[in-house]
Amino acid sequence: EVQLLESGGGLVQPGGSLRLSCTASGFTFSSYAMSWVRQAPGKGLEWVSSISGSGGSTYYADSVKGRFTISRDNSMNTFYLQMSSLRVEDTAIYYCAKEDTVTTRGGAFDIWGQGTMVTVSS
Amino acid sequence: QVVLTQSPSASASLGASVKLTCTLSSGHSSYTIAWHQHQPEKGPRFLMRLNSDGSHSKGDGIPDRFSGSSSGAERYLTISSLQSEDEADYYCQTWGTGFQVFGGGTKLTVL
Repeated sequence: EVQLLESGGGLVQPGGSLRLSCTASGFTFSSYAMSWVRQAPGKGLEWVSSISGSGGSTYYADSVKGRFTISRDNSMNTFYLQMSSLRVEDTAIYYCAKEDTVTTRGGAFDIWGQGTMVTVSS
Repeated sequence: QVVLTQSPSASASLGASVKLTCTLSSGHSSYTIAWHQHQPEKGPRFLMRLNSDGSHSKGDGIPDRFSGSSSGAERYLTISSLQSEDEADYYCQTWGTGFQVFGGGTKLTVL
């Protein structure tokens, strides 16, 4: 079964750090770009960051550039989102997602995780 | 940068059909999009990839009640024989090298 499972969410103070993980199963992980998408309370879906299958290319939304770092370990079928200098406005459910193509030009998110909650509050 | 526009809400009766719209910004009418369903307390669910010519490929297990079509810069999701479990938020998504974009979402109420 194709599956994504997030972990690492929690409560953190403003200015703090947190690392999210997403472990994949059921497909050739290293072939596909992977992404993080978030949903703040009462808001819509917002793309956060993507990483190519090899890990050689990474992309970020302007709202997180310079504060978040995406990475992957293909030997572990896992990718990560290191979040630093967290702000109250980063509070959201964070979902990991798989793209549906092996190209590096982006694709539809065809598999989603169930989400992990990140709360930034003092 | 491409922008996707969706109506905030829609409603239709149980057993009826509804057509949701996602509009691509000017100059981007050739873009392929995807439709996703997002029910409360769940992860989003991929429904289909929809091309500018109206051809589409659905995700695994997506019922035939869900179909897609296109006209110019508009991309449509039609849900027929509405069921109570279709009540959800529906998002369109598009992409390019180095970016992903979502529409604001449409909240569908099944009456």
